[in-house]
Amino acid sequence: NAGVTQTPKFRVLKTGQSMTLLCAQDMNHEYMYWYRQDPGMGLRLIHYSVGEGTTAKGEVPDGYNVSRLKKQNFLLGLESAAPSQTSVYFCASKEWTRRTEAFFGQGTRLTVV
Amino acid sequence: KNEVEQSPQNLTAQEGEFITINCSYSVGISALHWLQQHPGGGIVSLFMLSSGKKKHGRLIATINIQEKHSSLHITASHPRDSAVYICAVRGQGAQKLVFGQGTRLTINP
Repeated sequence: NAGVTQTPKFRVLKTGQSMTLLCAQDMNHEYMYWYRQDPGMGLRLIHYSVGEGTTAKGEVPDGYNVSRLKKQNFLLGLESAAPSQTSVYFCASKEWTRRTEAFFGQGTRLTVV
Repeated sequence: KNEVEQSPQNLTAQEGEFITINCSYSVGISALHWLQQHPGGGIVSLFMLSSGKKKHGRLIATINIQEKHSSLHITASHPRDSAVYICAVRGQGAQKLVFGQGTRLTINP
């Protein structure tokens, strides 16, 4: 049981390049989330999804797009990377019921130069 | 003012000391989570609680709903407890977690 798997773990991009981060979970969770973590700040929600085919904006959605075509996968896209998007990105998933814990991936360290 | 405030932001202690990390929040919640993040590593859920107290090994988490406050305690601390501890709350009816900034704990041998 792998839990939540993020790929890639590390990436360096040039300004203006595009890329997609993949989050995969094998727990049949309804809810999935993408966060970014920056020094001195708490985790901030980028986008989230409450089920297959649905997505919603979080606190800091600008510059990112997401898709949830399959229940187990939640993709985060950067269409034109900017240095301000240098961060560590975490994916999380949880069941739809309120009183269950969230499971996090190992993180993706992205550097935009 | 952040919805979730943790204190202290940094804490250094000697092995064996009793550790307390505090979390205060400003909204009504359905659940509060304590998470652990090791240097360079992922995030692991330690506790999820909505009332009272939970214990797992040397870790104890308490919550006071009326005071909107939670504490994470570590007894007989060990260098392997060195990590960032993060408090997060889920608002009533909300689908999202709101995170504190984290407390960086360093336990020296």
